[in-house]
Amino acid sequence: AQSVSQHNHHVILSEAASLELGCNYSYGGTVNLFWYVQYPGQHLQLLLKYFSGDPLVKGIKGFEAEFIKSKFSFNLRKPSVQWSDTAEYFCAVNALNFGNEKLTFGTGTRLTIIP
Amino acid sequence: GAGVSQSPSNKVTEKGKDVELRCDPISGHTALYWYRQSLGQGLEFLIYFQGNSAPDKSGLPSDRFSAERTGGSVSTLTIQRTQQEDSAVYLCASSLGGRGSNEKLFFGSGTQLSVL
Repeated sequence: AQSVSQHNHHVILSEAASLELGCNYSYGGTVNLFWYVQYPGQHLQLLLKYFSGDPLVKGIKGFEAEFIKSKFSFNLRKPSVQWSDTAEYFCAVNALNFGNEKLTFGTGTRLTIIP
Repeated sequence: GAGVSQSPSNKVTEKGKDVELRCDPISGHTALYWYRQSLGQGLEFLIYFQGNSAPDKSGLPSDRFSAERTGGSVSTLTIQRTQQEDSAVYLCASSLGGRGSNEKLFFGSGTQLSVL
């Protein structure tokens, strides 16, 4: 069964700092990878996704993530964070084995941006 | 409605009582998921419905938990004989469904369950 690890539980940064949130998954086959974000008081929403092709994917609000198959990683990055990026970020994986459509989430990383 | 609707938004119950949580997915979405969000535990998968296929119940933590999806639309998550460790936010999500198309889940705002 697939699993997802997010090692950073709480990250605190100042505005304009660069961001990288780690995500590692455990599954040897083909995967779809996602980052979801939950802003305070709002629903979870999709930030970006990787299905195939270019391993560097760009999402909303200047976020990007790079799929490195050899490292089983899909780290989230943003070159310059803003106060409005304060939220909880969840990495998720869908392993493409037959009959499994389940999306498995990591434990989340809480990001706090200090103005 | 335009989004996934969950009710109630908050539920306080006594230990040992049964509770029912409701989810109305987006119209036309064939896939429906239930997740549980606990402090420090992230999103824990509970159950997944896809069209008329048998649901994937592999995430249900015990036989006190069950879920139904009637008519391929509304879903009800039932927790019998609630325990304090069941306290969490229960999230429902839906997507268009079908193999390879669960690319975007639309989440509801959740039901905050508190078991006293």
